[in-house]
Amino acid sequence: GAGVSQSPRYKVAKRGQDVALRCDPISGHVSLFWYQQALGQGPEFLTYFQNEAQLDKSGLPSDRFFAERPEGSVSTLKIQRTQQEDSAVYLCASSWGTGVNTGELFFGEGSRLTVL
Amino acid sequence: QKEVEQDPGPLSVPEGAIVSLNCTYSNSAFQYFMWYRQYSRKGPELLMYTYSSGNKEDGRFTAQVDKSSKYISLFIRDSQPSDSATYLCAIGRQGGSEKLVFGKGTKLTVNP
Repeated sequence: GAGVSQSPRYKVAKRGQDVALRCDPISGHVSLFWYQQALGQGPEFLTYFQNEAQLDKSGLPSDRFFAERPEGSVSTLKIQRTQQEDSAVYLCASSWGTGVNTGELFFGEGSRLTVL
Repeated sequence: QKEVEQDPGPLSVPEGAIVSLNCTYSNSAFQYFMWYRQYSRKGPELLMYTYSSGNKEDGRFTAQVDKSSKYISLFIRDSQPSDSATYLCAIGRQGGSEKLVFGKGTKLTVNP
């Protein structure tokens, strides 16, 4: 596709449910990032992939959060046993390069998660 | 102390005004400085990218970096209603992690 595609755009989950958020990056982009954006806040880094390798997961807030990119393209962010504090917009971004200085980050429109 | 601080505003200006948006950062290891624009319910999009102290101009937008003061600014000249959005500063450094650290964002409204 022309841009980064995320699905679902909106997800309502009951507390304790598991959710899976999907990201389709721009074709050929090597780097893929997940960010969490709470209401009224800037995006906060969650995790980074270079191709299929997860090189940085230091931003994942707990072991309930898990991300994968098994074939180096599509990525899934999974949240187990959702809590109310997980309510946020989850943004996926991709870039062609492998360093912060090598290319623009292209963001998707995000998946808005509401946990009741 | 947060790695990057940004005044969240909100900021409301009349059409045609000059807008100044600012961020400060705490770690001199950061080498790359960006401004992203985010419209409501959309993802951020890159406006300006720079890695050196000084000014960088692109149309009505000027990004300014002062590494000695750890201070970055974005100026918008002749502001338009279509500039109404949230503006996010972002900083990055090479090596270790490729993540960007974002400010909280400043919500700007340009009134016609």
